[in-house]
Amino acid sequence: RKEVEQDPGPFNVPEGATVAFNCTYSNSASQSFFWYRQDCRKEPKLLMSVYSSGNEDGRFTAQLNRASQYISLLIRDSKLSDSATYLCVVNGNAGNMLTFGGGTRLMVKP
Amino acid sequence: NAGVTQTPKFQVLKTGQSMTLQCAQDMNHNSMYWYRQDPGMGLRLIYYSASEGTTDKGEVPNGYNVSRLNKREFSLRLESAAPSQTSVYFCASSDSTYYEQYFGPGTRLTVT
Repeated sequence: RKEVEQDPGPFNVPEGATVAFNCTYSNSASQSFFWYRQDCRKEPKLLMSVYSSGNEDGRFTAQLNRASQYISLLIRDSKLSDSATYLCVVNGNAGNMLTFGGGTRLMVKP
Repeated sequence: NAGVTQTPKFQVLKTGQSMTLQCAQDMNHNSMYWYRQDPGMGLRLIYYSASEGTTDKGEVPNGYNVSRLNKREFSLRLESAAPSQTSVYFCASSDSTYYEQYFGPGTRLTVT
């Protein structure tokens, strides 16, 4: 089993839609959780950290479910500019390092 | 602040040639990393440096060496390039190995 698993997609949604991604992780001792965004041919950029109580940043909401070992990202009122690959990131086993999931591709259509 | 910078942006090598990829950060971070990203493979850690003076292997270290020159700079060297090393290379830095990482713009390397 991979340490961090994501549905690769693509998720094709119309502008204005709400879309949710899930990510599962294998290390029950993980303490750090993040969502990154990566545009085509660009570097990954931190979108938001994920806290135990859940957190919101504008149209983006992240949730953590420790019991089931998954993280979610909800995007409301999707914009064309949200089209990107979203990477789930968790601190894993070796040296408490961050492990990146393979990413979920989102395409927002007009 | 420039954040994390990488040079060069693009490079084409012939098989067997060597080169060094440079990375520098101005955020006073302790930890630095080198990743490669290939289509369908996601980000894979090559080497990392948890703090100045230390380096450790990641998931795919074969064919690479690194040097943590000082707190700011972390270089990646390919001694004898192979076509399998054609990839996009990203450098990143963070306060600690379990904190969020900040990435440079990447180096696109092609080995023919």
